[in-house]
Amino acid sequence: GENVEQHPSTLSVQEGDSAVIKCTYSDSASNYFPWYKQELGKGPQLIIDIRSNVGEKKDQRIAVTLNKTAKHFSLHITETQPEDSAVYFCAASIGSNYQLIWGAGTKLIIKP
Amino acid sequence: NAGVMQNPRHLVRRRGQEARLRCSPMKGHSHVYWYRQLPEEGLKFMVYLQKENIIDESGMPKERFSAEFPKEGPSILRIQQVVRGDSAAYFCASSPPSLAGGGNEQFFGPGTRLTVL
Repeated sequence: GENVEQHPSTLSVQEGDSAVIKCTYSDSASNYFPWYKQELGKGPQLIIDIRSNVGEKKDQRIAVTLNKTAKHFSLHITETQPEDSAVYFCAASIGSNYQLIWGAGTKLIIKP
Repeated sequence: NAGVMQNPRHLVRRRGQEARLRCSPMKGHSHVYWYRQLPEEGLKFMVYLQKENIIDESGMPKERFSAEFPKEGPSILRIQQVVRGDSAAYFCASSPPSLAGGGNEQFFGPGTRLTVL
């Protein structure tokens, strides 16, 4: 079946440094790639997304890049802050329907 | 515009009882998804519904679990004869219809944390 692999499972970075989380997907028909942030005890929140007609999207300190040929996309967080500590999930749409396949998550730890 | 609402936020049941989890999607959203999450783990898809239709229930256990999204009212995830292994956080998400088709943003509720004693 289709799947999304996410790496690393845990990432620890010094405050102020950059963090990069990578995902690969298997369904060549996937055309929508969101990233979610989940804080402890809360539901996941969409932080940025990208569609297959663009290669990069940026929103302040957060950026996502997409390589459709290689079927991978990445989340980049610059100038990390303590409030960036959370679990981050990537996802990819399944073909042309409304469902998403989810990565296993990355626990991001920002060290002061 | 209120976000996705779920209730109750916490639910405690004894083994053998029934659990009913409710989800009200965002206004204008016609797609509802239910996910299950164990501590320190990712999201496991359970079921995808549109109004009065189950589109995909491939992630639902064959027994004891059912879901509905009636024409009026919230979506309900029902777990009959709960067992300790059902203890988890259950999240609901909703998304709007898309004229262009393809993937669409899913907006999550705060979740219901089910504890089975």
